[in-house]
Amino acid sequence: RKEVEQDPGPFNVPEGATVAFNCTYSNSASQSFFWYRQDCRKEPKLLMSVYSSGNEDGRFTAQLNRASQYISLLIRDSKLSDSATYLCVVPDTGRRALTFGSGTRLQVQP
Amino acid sequence: DAGVIQSPRHEVTEMGQEVTLRCKPISGHDYLFWYRQTMMRGLELLIYFNNNVPIDDSGMPEDRFSAKMPNASFSTLKIQPSEPRDSAVYFCASSLGRGRVQPQHFGDGTRLSIL
Repeated sequence: RKEVEQDPGPFNVPEGATVAFNCTYSNSASQSFFWYRQDCRKEPKLLMSVYSSGNEDGRFTAQLNRASQYISLLIRDSKLSDSATYLCVVPDTGRRALTFGSGTRLQVQP
Repeated sequence: DAGVIQSPRHEVTEMGQEVTLRCKPISGHDYLFWYRQTMMRGLELLIYFNNNVPIDDSGMPEDRFSAKMPNASFSTLKIQPSEPRDSAVYFCASSLGRGRVQPQHFGDGTRLSIL
């Protein structure tokens, strides 16, 4: 099993829609989780940190299910500017580094 | 506050030439990471440093790649000799190291093309 697995998409949704991405991870000891956003030809940028069961920031909600070892990202009221690739990130096993998922591409359409 | 600063933003050079990429981490961050990103392989960790000391270089592809961190505010990634398959975007990132694992903050990247 890969350390981090994500559906690559693309998810094509209309403006205003609610969309959710899931990410599964293999390291059951992980305590910190992150969602990053990467625009085309740009660097990854931190979107949210998740340290307990979940986190909410405006239209974005991240939820953690430790028993099933998955993290979800929910985006409500999608905007055109939300179009990007969303990277699920978990700590490595045995070292102080991060493993980045391959990303889920979101395209919000007018 | 200044973020992670990388230079150059773009580099185009012929195969066989030496390439040096530079990175200035966020002040106060004690971890520095070098990544490479391609369409085929995604984001790959090459090497990371803690307090200027290389901790894990298992991601460095081969001996042609080397990285140094002479002080807390500067790191280099060198490729010598360069090959066309080294063409990629190279990112530098830094993070704090206390307590639980902290998020990393990325520079703008260096877009490298080897002809």
